[in-house]
Amino acid sequence: EDKVVQSPLSLVVHEGDTVTLNCSYEVTNFRSLLWYKQEKKAPTFLFMLTSSGIEKKSGRLSSILDKKELFSILNITATQTGDSAVYLCAVTLTSGTYKYIFGTGTRLKVLA
Amino acid sequence: GAGVSQSPSNKVTEKGKDVELRCDPISGHTALYWYRQSLGQGLEFLIYFQGNSAPDKSGLPSDRFSAERTGGSVSTLTIQRTQQEDSAVYLCASSSPGNTIYFGEGSWLTVV
Repeated sequence: EDKVVQSPLSLVVHEGDTVTLNCSYEVTNFRSLLWYKQEKKAPTFLFMLTSSGIEKKSGRLSSILDKKELFSILNITATQTGDSAVYLCAVTLTSGTYKYIFGTGTRLKVLA
Repeated sequence: GAGVSQSPSNKVTEKGKDVELRCDPISGHTALYWYRQSLGQGLEFLIYFQGNSAPDKSGLPSDRFSAERTGGSVSTLTIQRTQQEDSAVYLCASSSPGNTIYFGEGSWLTVV
């Protein structure tokens, strides 16, 4: 069964800290891995990763994929209270469907 | 439209009643997805449309759930004889095939 596992489930840090969120996957026919940020209801897109070892970066956020070890990390440096959210990881497959398989998410709380 | 639009944003219904949830995808997006998110849980895939057809409806939890899409645009998710375990946020997303999906704000369903 295809699955995506995120860790930790929740995390509390103080402003200015750096955090690393993990996403591991076991799927057949991997196509891509995506990170989303969910603050209220609608998840918003952060990154899409398809190739190993190539870092994607946007401001204080960055992410990288390891297709050999089947995981990705999302780094957030100099955290701010506005980074508080649930971070979701999703994997897409090449097997004729565009179904996204989501992990349960990591709930990040950044304290002032 | 500019984004994925869902209605109603909130719905409280009595156990045993039928509900319809509507999704209006981003203009030009041929792919449409329904996901369900229970409190504190990850996103659970329900169904995927490409145009008006549903090549993957593997996630529908029971025959009380059905969905249709007409004109390659608006989709309706129908839940018959609602149960308390159906209470969740129902998220719709759309994309151009192979591209990132964009989510609506969701419909929060509470069955009492």
